[in-house]
Amino acid sequence: RKEVEQDPGPFNVPEGATVAFNCTYSNSASQSFFWYRQDCRKEPKLLMSVYSSGNEDGRFTAQLNRASQYISLLIRDSKLSDSATYLCVVNMRGTALIFGKGTTLSVSS
Amino acid sequence: GAGVSQSPSNKVTEKGKDVELRCDPISGHTALYWYRQRLGQGLEFLIYFQGNSAPDKSGLPSDRFSAERTGESVSTLTIQRTQQEDSAVYLCASNTGGGFEQYFGPGTRLTVT
Repeated sequence: RKEVEQDPGPFNVPEGATVAFNCTYSNSASQSFFWYRQDCRKEPKLLMSVYSSGNEDGRFTAQLNRASQYISLLIRDSKLSDSATYLCVVNMRGTALIFGKGTTLSVSS
Repeated sequence: GAGVSQSPSNKVTEKGKDVELRCDPISGHTALYWYRQRLGQGLEFLIYFQGNSAPDKSGLPSDRFSAERTGESVSTLTIQRTQQEDSAVYLCASNTGGGFEQYFGPGTRLTVT
């Protein structure tokens, strides 16, 4: 089983849609969780950290379920500029981060 | 302030040649990471430096890969006797250590012909 698994997509949605991405991780001792965003041919950038209580940043909501070892990202009112690859990231060793392969989102007008 | 910088931005080399990739982390960041991203793939962890501790080399794919870091500053990733499968974008990141946000450089796109 891969350490961090994501549905690669692509997810093709119209502007204004709500879309949800899921991610599972294999190591129950994982400590920190993040969603990064990567635009085509660009470096990854932190979108948001994921906390056990769930957290929201504008149109973006992240949830963590430790019992199921599952992380989600919800994007409401999708914009064209949201088109990117979303990377689920887990800290398993307390040091290096483990990245999922990413889920590609394409928002169209 | 200045972000993570990497050089060169692009490198084309012939199979069998050695290459050196450079990373300048954000000033004050004690931790530095190297990743590899093949076309259409996710990030593969290569190596991690934290302060004066021994580096975590567990992600290096073969003994052709090595990396050094001078104190808490510049790092160099060296690939010896390059192979076509080494073609990828090599990304460097830095942070203050632990599981905190990593800041990435723009990467070096390596093409082995």
